[in-house]
Amino acid sequence: GQNIDQPTEMTATEGAIVQINCTYQTSGFNGLFWYQQHAGEAPTFLSYNVLDGLEEKGRFSSFLSRSKGYSYLLLKELQMKDSASYLCAVLDSNYQLIWGAGTKLIIKP
Amino acid sequence: SQTIHQWPATLVQPVGSPLSLECTVEGTSNPNLYWYRQAAGRGLQLLFYSVGIGQISSEVPQNLSASRPQDRQFILSSKKLLLSDSGFYLCAWSLRGEPHQPQHFGDGTRLSIL
Repeated sequence: GQNIDQPTEMTATEGAIVQINCTYQTSGFNGLFWYQQHAGEAPTFLSYNVLDGLEEKGRFSSFLSRSKGYSYLLLKELQMKDSASYLCAVLDSNYQLIWGAGTKLIIKP
Repeated sequence: SQTIHQWPATLVQPVGSPLSLECTVEGTSNPNLYWYRQAAGRGLQLLFYSVGIGQISSEVPQNLSASRPQDRQFILSSKKLLLSDSGFYLCAWSLRGEPHQPQHFGDGTRLSIL
């Protein structure tokens, strides 16, 4: 079967750095997406990785290792507005998106 | 720029009643369209997707159905709602033929079944 694992919940302090991990076992791989979802709202796109390595976008970076079936989202200089759920999704060999359950990130002052 | 509209934002329905949720996309042609359901604290479950008018693929057998009467209109329906149909329903679009491009979501409909 296809499976994506993320921690259920994480807590971090305002101004700090947090890394949210995602491991996947899917039938094929055609890329990995990260989305942010604030409570009660729709997911919004953050990043896409298809090659190994780090992609940086301002305070957010996403890393991929295809050989390890592993990705992480790195958030720097955390702000209270970063409190949200972060969803990892993998594009499988049929180009279907397989979604993780999401990681709820709680930012404390 | 492209926009996606989904309504209503909130809906409370009795068990056994019908359902119709509508989604429209503006600013793009021939999009892929999707209906998802998200249970509280859970990930996204793909219900239906469509690559063109009248072309609907169902991912999960259930009492829901979808239709695409126009290129940029996607409708989610049910003849008789069940308690288990409660959840957060999201419509999304993506560029056809561009699987590496992200999906973009509407604001969602929170459906409560009483």
